Amino acid sequence: QVQLQQSGQGLVKPSQTLSLTCAISGDSVSSNSAAWNWVRQSPSRGLEWLGRIYYRSSWIEDYAVSMRSRITISPDTSKNQFSLHLNSVTPEDTAIYYCASGWALFHWGQGTLVTVSS
Amino acid sequence: DIVMTQSPDSLAVSPGERATINCKSAHNLLYSSNNKYSLAWYQQKPGQPPKLLIYWASTRDSGVPDRFSGSGSGTDFTLTISSLQAEDVAVYYCQQYFLTPFTFGGGTKVEI
Repeated sequence: QVQLQQSGQGLVKPSQTLSLTCAISGDSVSSNSAAWNWVRQSPSRGLEWLGRIYYRSSWIEDYAVSMRSRITISPDTSKNQFSLHLNSVTPEDTAIYYCASGWALFHWGQGTLVTVSS
Repeated sequence: DIVMTQSPDSLAVSPGERATINCKSAHNLLYSSNNKYSLAWYQQKPGQPPKLLIYWASTRDSGVPDRFSGSGSGTDFTLTISSLQAEDVAVYYCQQYFLTPFTFGGGTKVEI
């Protein structure tokens, strides 16, 4: 059974970088049949897919166009986890952030409330 | 981006009665490789992440009660709860995974 455990900061100052990590158990970040996503949820935007990474002989990154200039999702194969980095944050980036696996999103992390405030 | 439109925004159903939620996609979600529709349904309760109920439009995830069923084709899909139980009170979302960016419907709140 795949389990995803999130960690990272809950409060970020405007213009700084939001960083979250998702530790995977029960699967491998390098699996040739998996994909690893970040999704966020806010009252104003609802559920919003941010991007994903997956491994198919090489690493593939796929981001929402609206995020592309600010987002990086990266794997850490030594720790079997993946991370989200979102730079130049504004209060509009305040949301609950989730990691999730798959295309249909079979497994979800517990969620991290990230507040962007000075 | 593929716009997903859910209706209604909310509905109140008596215990044991049927609940029906609709989801309309702005794009045909047929995945030609397996002739199935790239449409998923989720249930979200307060303070929890969404939970996958249905994928490929009509396949129940493991452990999901059979009172939940998905149907539809092309651009129009339906989630049906055949006999509503108290524990089914939640917000339900559809999601397309045919193309990135994956997109979600706005949600339907189901109450008793």
